[in-house]
Amino acid sequence: DAKTTQPPSMDCAEGRAANLPCNHSTISGNEYVYWYRQIHSQGPQYIIHGLKNNETNEMASLIITEDRKSSTLILPHATLRDTAVYYCIVRPDNAGNMLTFGGGTRLMVKP
Amino acid sequence: GAGVSQTPSNKVTEKGKYVELRCDPISGHTALYWYRQSLGQGPEFLIYFQGTGAADDSGLPNDRFFAVRPEGSVSTLKIQRTERGDSAVYLCASSAGTSGRIDEQFFGPGTRLTVL
Repeated sequence: DAKTTQPPSMDCAEGRAANLPCNHSTISGNEYVYWYRQIHSQGPQYIIHGLKNNETNEMASLIITEDRKSSTLILPHATLRDTAVYYCIVRPDNAGNMLTFGGGTRLMVKP
Repeated sequence: GAGVSQTPSNKVTEKGKYVELRCDPISGHTALYWYRQSLGQGPEFLIYFQGTGAADDSGLPNDRFFAVRPEGSVSTLKIQRTERGDSAVYLCASSAGTSGRIDEQFFGPGTRLTVL
């Protein structure tokens, strides 16, 4: 079973920030928070991951609460191409650990 | 460089038939994963290879499903006596599999299997 809880869907206006929440209250000390997204008819794509510090890359920012029980993925300036299902996943950061996907959040970016 | 490729992109078969789905991982990636995605759901893990060996096959639903990776590169997922419930998108992913590094999994586009 997935160890994360996400809202099933969200809307965002093009050009605005998209903030996608994720609850992972049972996260273990050695587990990282990963975010993947899946654009329609494509395979999932890695976005970002973190342990306890906030992380930023060219795609997004990840904000993890101090108690690590929740996190937020931020797309700073959403475009129509960001319309996708976003998955929040917790897992140890080493090879051999499968990704356990939940239902994800279907983000719809609207003009 | 080239990403993960999967063939065929679509496969339609009849109930009871045998199918093979192929995955070509990113060159040099030692870890390879198979997932299955039913309509409206997230992908579900099937099997993980490290090199040539199946290190974790706990996700295979039953003994009709089998996968191989004989040379540590290309992998084939084999399904015997297909059932309508096997209809799904079968996704393959690979990663560098290097201890101590980020284990980013790169996914292929998937094979859509339809069992009539």
